[in-house]
Amino acid sequence: QVQLKETGPDLVQLTQTLSITCTVSGFSLTTYNVHWVRQPPGKGLEWMGAMWNGGGTDYNSAFKSRLSISRDTSKSQVFLKMNSLQTDDTAKYFCASHYFDYWGQGVMVTVSS
Amino acid sequence: DIQMTQSPSFLSASVGDRVTINCKASQNINKYLDWYQQKLGEAPKLLIYNTNSLHTGIPSRFSGSGSGTDFTLTISSLQPEDVATYFCLQHNSGYTFGAGTKLELK
Repeated sequence: QVQLKETGPDLVQLTQTLSITCTVSGFSLTTYNVHWVRQPPGKGLEWMGAMWNGGGTDYNSAFKSRLSISRDTSKSQVFLKMNSLQTDDTAKYFCASHYFDYWGQGVMVTVSS
Repeated sequence: DIQMTQSPSFLSASVGDRVTINCKASQNINKYLDWYQQKLGEAPKLLIYNTNSLHTGIPSRFSGSGSGTDFTLTISSLQPEDVATYFCLQHNSGYTFGAGTKLELK
């Protein structure tokens, strides 16, 4: 069955880099896309970017050049890296499959000054 | 970029009520509008995709309608387990979520 699981730090220091891994099972990264979505506490959802099944990427322009998404197909993992973190990057970060039909449980990241 | 305006932000209704939630796109998004349910502390759950297609396992009391710029999620008879926040998502051009509707029991 399809599963996604995010792993990453609980706490990141101001201006530092966030790294989160999404490990998937039940499907191949070369067949289905994986999206990253975040949700600040008590707020709505924001699409951040995607790793396409062909290996390309797409990003929300709001993150400009801060965001990078990559993958390791042999490990069924997709990676999110975002630099220059600010306090308003405090959020729960989710990965989701192709049609947003399956989601991980999310990882809550707090940016601390 | 396409903006999504979701209304109302908050909704209080009784068990058995018919509930409607709306999303309006800033430009034509054809049929590419999905609806999600998110309960407290959980990941969003897909309810409806491409305006009116019910996702696997979702009860038939949920339905979607609309086209172009105006879309509606309807719960025909509200159940206690439907208490949640509901989001729309357009995927016609990029991806944009609505701000959400928090649904509570009266």
